[in-house]
Amino acid sequence: KQEVTQIPAALSVPEGENLVLNCSFTDSAIYNLQWFRQDPGKGLTSLLLIQSSQREQTSGRLNASLDKSSGRSTLYIAASQPGDSATYLCAVRGSGGSNYKLTFGKGTLLTVNP
Amino acid sequence: DAGVTQSPTHLIKTRGQQVTLRCSPKSGHDTVSWYQQALGQGPQFIFQYYEEEERQRGNFPDRFSGHQFPNYSSELNVNALLLGDSALYLCASSLAGGPANEKLFFGSGTQLSVL
Repeated sequence: KQEVTQIPAALSVPEGENLVLNCSFTDSAIYNLQWFRQDPGKGLTSLLLIQSSQREQTSGRLNASLDKSSGRSTLYIAASQPGDSATYLCAVRGSGGSNYKLTFGKGTLLTVNP
Repeated sequence: DAGVTQSPTHLIKTRGQQVTLRCSPKSGHDTVSWYQQALGQGPQFIFQYYEEEERQRGNFPDRFSGHQFPNYSSELNVNALLLGDSALYLCASSLAGGPANEKLFFGSGTQLSVL
């Protein structure tokens, strides 16, 4: 059974800091890994999607890496801003032709202080 | 371009009642997935619908059922509500076929409270 763990559970940083969020998964047989952002009481916004054959993806100030063999991914946020405050969720899709579900971690609650 | 829309946004029910939640996918999407998110937890997969059929189901009891209509919209039905069913119910849509279409688009969710 796939399990996804995110560390830390919560993080508070001053504006302008670079930061790293961590995600680990127990079964390396994945199809892809996605990072999402969730604002309080809201739905999820997809930030980055990394296919199993890729090592990293970048979008603006965000960079996500994937080490499938060790079951780890990191989300790097450069020059953090107060508007980045949200919960960040990592999710993996298992490989296999009939597996369409995403398995999520519990998320990291990020607070960026002005 | 309308994104994923869910209704209602909030709902209060009592134990034993039945509830129906609705979802309209993003324009052009043909696949709808439903997730349950309890407070402080990550979303848990309930099921996915494609071509009006349930394509995959998570570890949820038969009290949870769904439907997809020809226009790709979907409903989630929960019977015999329990207190533990209180959660944010999220609908996600995508376009079937190929890695380029893997990105999920989520709605804002329906917050269900069971008293």
